[in-house]
Amino acid sequence: DAGVIQSPRHEVTEMGQEVTLRCKPISGHNSLFWYRQTMMRGLELLIYFNNNVPIDDSGMPEDRFSAKMPNASFSTLKIQPSEPRDSAVYFCASSSGSSYNEQFFGPGTRLTVL
Amino acid sequence: AQTVTQSQPEMSVQEAETVTLSCTYDTSESDYYLFWYKQPPSRQMILVIRQEAYKQQNATENRFSVNFQKAAKSFSLKISDSQLGDAAMYFCAYHNALFGKGTSLLVTP
Repeated sequence: DAGVIQSPRHEVTEMGQEVTLRCKPISGHNSLFWYRQTMMRGLELLIYFNNNVPIDDSGMPEDRFSAKMPNASFSTLKIQPSEPRDSAVYFCASSSGSSYNEQFFGPGTRLTVL
Repeated sequence: AQTVTQSQPEMSVQEAETVTLSCTYDTSESDYYLFWYKQPPSRQMILVIRQEAYKQQNATENRFSVNFQKAAKSFSLKISDSQLGDAAMYFCAYHNALFGKGTSLLVTP
């Protein structure tokens, strides 16, 4: 298996633009997680899906952020409009079973908002 | 609310020596899972070890072991026979949802 795939690996955009980050989990995994990592705040869980259904989105910072999982093999995290404070590395992770099992992380997307 | 604290921003160890990374947490739950993840310069997060709170036996994975003290809410990671490839950021996590700020481990030859 290729592992968790994220695209793009790097994204540079201007403030106010829409940004869409993509994730393909490991085949057979039914849990998917989006995280954000910054120097100031560390690694934060944004949202957790189980069987394509959002279970916990309490970490989503504000209405500008939205996440979808239309099927078991694809998820998106969208920021609209983007702001400079959204600059971070965004990780997607997947696991089988519950959120307490081992998670497999993707390589991350480094987002820079100018 | 749950919290996870890693009080050592940086640690250094010589190759082949042993180092212990500290992690404390706070929770009112009685059953939970704790994790240690490694993040090398490549940025890839990798699971090092997992501990289930209801298991009294400390988890072990090759050179990595934990000292889990449930009453003290402490979950330290011991790395034995340190190798240059162990150099990385190490994160303690509660339930895969709450992460500590990390400890940067430097391994010197």
